[in-house]
Amino acid sequence: QVLLQESGPGLVKPSETLSLICTVSGGSIGSSYWSWIRQPPGKGLEWIAYMSYSGSPNYNPSLKSRVTTSVDTSKNQFSLKLSSVIAADTAVYYCVRHASTSSLGYWGRGTLVTVSS
Amino acid sequence: DIQMTQSPSSLSASVGDRVTIACRASQSVGSFLSWYQQKPGKAPNLLMYAASSLQTGVPSRFSGSGSGTDFILTISSLQPEDVASYYCLQSFSTPWTFGQGTEVEIK
Repeated sequence: QVLLQESGPGLVKPSETLSLICTVSGGSIGSSYWSWIRQPPGKGLEWIAYMSYSGSPNYNPSLKSRVTTSVDTSKNQFSLKLSSVIAADTAVYYCVRHASTSSLGYWGRGTLVTVSS
Repeated sequence: DIQMTQSPSSLSASVGDRVTIACRASQSVGSFLSWYQQKPGKAPNLLMYAASSLQTGVPSRFSGSGSGTDFILTISSLQPEDVASYYCLQSFSTPWTFGQGTEVEIK
């Protein structure tokens, strides 16, 4: 069974960079596509980006200027960096493995990142 | 961007009731539509993919239908464990976009 675990700071100061890592176990990171999704407290879901170990990542245009992702096959991890954060970036961030049919099949438990000074 | 509109935003139904949730896309998404259930404090869980295919392990009381712009998620007999928020997602074109969610409660 594929398991995903997000890790990173739970508190980030405004204007700084949010950095998260997703560690994948029970499956190879080279075998699928992967996404980052976020959910502000009490609100709906927002797709941030998807990527694979090969090929260019695909970013949400609303965040594209601030987002960078990467895949580390040696560690079976992928990462998210969101620069110049503001309070509106406060959210639970989920890493997700795609199912084979352009759907989001396996979700991490999510990690709350709060942007505050 | 493709806008996804769910209706209703919330509903309250009795155990055993048939429940339907609608999702409308602002332009055709073919069958690139999936449904997710999110219980309080938990990550979303994939219910349906390709509009009408049941994800492995999901109870058969859940079903999906539609194509193009109009989609329906049906719970044939509502159970207490179905209390959750439900979201549709279009993956036809980027940016992938979710509906705003439907909260389902037990009356």
